[in-house]
Amino acid sequence: KNEVEQSPQNLTAQEGEFITINCSYSVGISALHWLQQHPGGGIVSLFMLSSGKKKHGRLIATINIQEKHSSLHITASHPRDSAVYICAVRIGNYGGSQGNLIFGKGTKLSVKP
Amino acid sequence: GAGVSQSPSNKVTEKGKDVELRCDPISGHTALYWYRQSLGQGLEFLIYFQGNSAPDKSGLPSDRFSAERTGGSVSTLTIQRTQQEDSAVYLCASSLRVSGATDTQYFGPGTRLTVL
Repeated sequence: KNEVEQSPQNLTAQEGEFITINCSYSVGISALHWLQQHPGGGIVSLFMLSSGKKKHGRLIATINIQEKHSSLHITASHPRDSAVYICAVRIGNYGGSQGNLIFGKGTKLSVKP
Repeated sequence: GAGVSQSPSNKVTEKGKDVELRCDPISGHTALYWYRQSLGQGLEFLIYFQGNSAPDKSGLPSDRFSAERTGGSVSTLTIQRTQQEDSAVYLCASSLRVSGATDTQYFGPGTRLTVL
C-alpha cells in the first residue's frame, strides 16, 4: 500500500464545475503539499498545509490531521486548470522532520469547455 | 535569476556513460532537493541538502548516483555508468528552510535524461 493515496486518478469535468481531489496518507506528517504539474512538465507549489484550510483564488485546500486526509477543491473550474495535481507529505515531527517528500501518484484533471 | 534553474534541459547519453546535472537554487534558499519522475510514474525523492548538515541520501536508488552542493548554493547530481532505467526527468527544488511556514518548495524546469 502506498503511503500517499490520491483519488480519483483521472477526472474529467465541464467548465464551471466544482472539483474535489482527495489525498489520504498513512504516516505521521509535519506538512502536506499540493502541487500542480502542467502538461509541459513544470511543477508549481499550490499549498503547504499543516492544519486547517487555505484558500488562494479559486483553490481551497483542507486537511484533517486526525483522519489523515486532505482535499483540494477548485471552484468554477476552467480549461486552464487542466493539469496533474499531486499530493505530497513531509513525514516526521514538526521541527525535527526529515526534508524529503513522499508523493501521491497524482490526479489528472481535464476541464472541458 | 528569480527561480530555480537547471541545466541542461535535455540530455541524451549512451548507456554506460557518466552524466552531470546541475541545479541553481533560488538565492538564499538553504534547502535543496533532487527528485526524479520516470515516464508514467510519480515523483520520487532522491536527495536533499539542508544548510551545512549532512545530506539525506535515503532516496538515491543505487551507488551510481551521487550529489554535491558546493558553497551552499549550486548542486550537481552525478549518475555514473548510466542505465536505460535512469531515463527520467530530474527535478530540483529549493526552499528557504526545511521546517516552518516558509517550506514551500520551488521547482526548477527539470532535466530530461534519455539513456540510449
